[in-house]
Amino acid sequence: GAGVSQSPRYKVAKRGQDVALRCDPISGHVSLFWYQQALGQGPEFLTYFQNEAQLDKSGLPSDRFFAERPEGSVSTLKIQRTQQEDSAVYLCASSSKRDNTEAFFGQGTRLTVV
Amino acid sequence: QKEVEQNSGPLSVPEGAIASLNCTYSDRGSQSFFWYRQYSGKSPELIMFIYSNGDKEDGRFTAQLNKASQYVSLLIRDSQPSDSATYLCAVNNNFGNEKLTFGTGTRLTIIP
Repeated sequence: GAGVSQSPRYKVAKRGQDVALRCDPISGHVSLFWYQQALGQGPEFLTYFQNEAQLDKSGLPSDRFFAERPEGSVSTLKIQRTQQEDSAVYLCASSSKRDNTEAFFGQGTRLTVV
Repeated sequence: QKEVEQNSGPLSVPEGAIASLNCTYSDRGSQSFFWYRQYSGKSPELIMFIYSNGDKEDGRFTAQLNKASQYVSLLIRDSQPSDSATYLCAVNNNFGNEKLTFGTGTRLTIIP
């Protein structure tokens, strides 16, 4: 596809359930970022990959959050034992560069934990 | 103190006027600065980035950076109703760390 694709677009999870969010970056993009955006807030950084290497995971809020990009393309953000405070939009962005000057965001996955 | 601060608004501007959006940041070592536009329910889209002190113009948009005052602004000339959105300021410190730190955004409404 032409842009960053995220799936599912919407996810409702019962508290305690595990979820997996997928990001398909633009083909050939080296850098991939995950952000969490709560309602009425700006995006908050979660983690960053350069190809398959996870170079920064300082934003992951707890050890329930895990991200991977095993072949340097598609990435998955997994949240174990979801809690209500995990409800947010999860945004993925990719860039052909190491920096953010040409980072494109996907449409996001809206996660609601009930 | 938040790392990146913006007035949450809403900011209302008449159509055709200049909209001025402001952002301050706390990390004096910050190197690169970005403005994103986000329509309701949509993802952020990059409008402009700026690295150096001074002004940078792109069409109806002008970004202004003052590192001494730790201040970034975005001017939108000839505002159009389609400019109505939330504008996010983001900062990167470029110390081998590619993450962006975002402000909470300013909601802009252009009044026809």
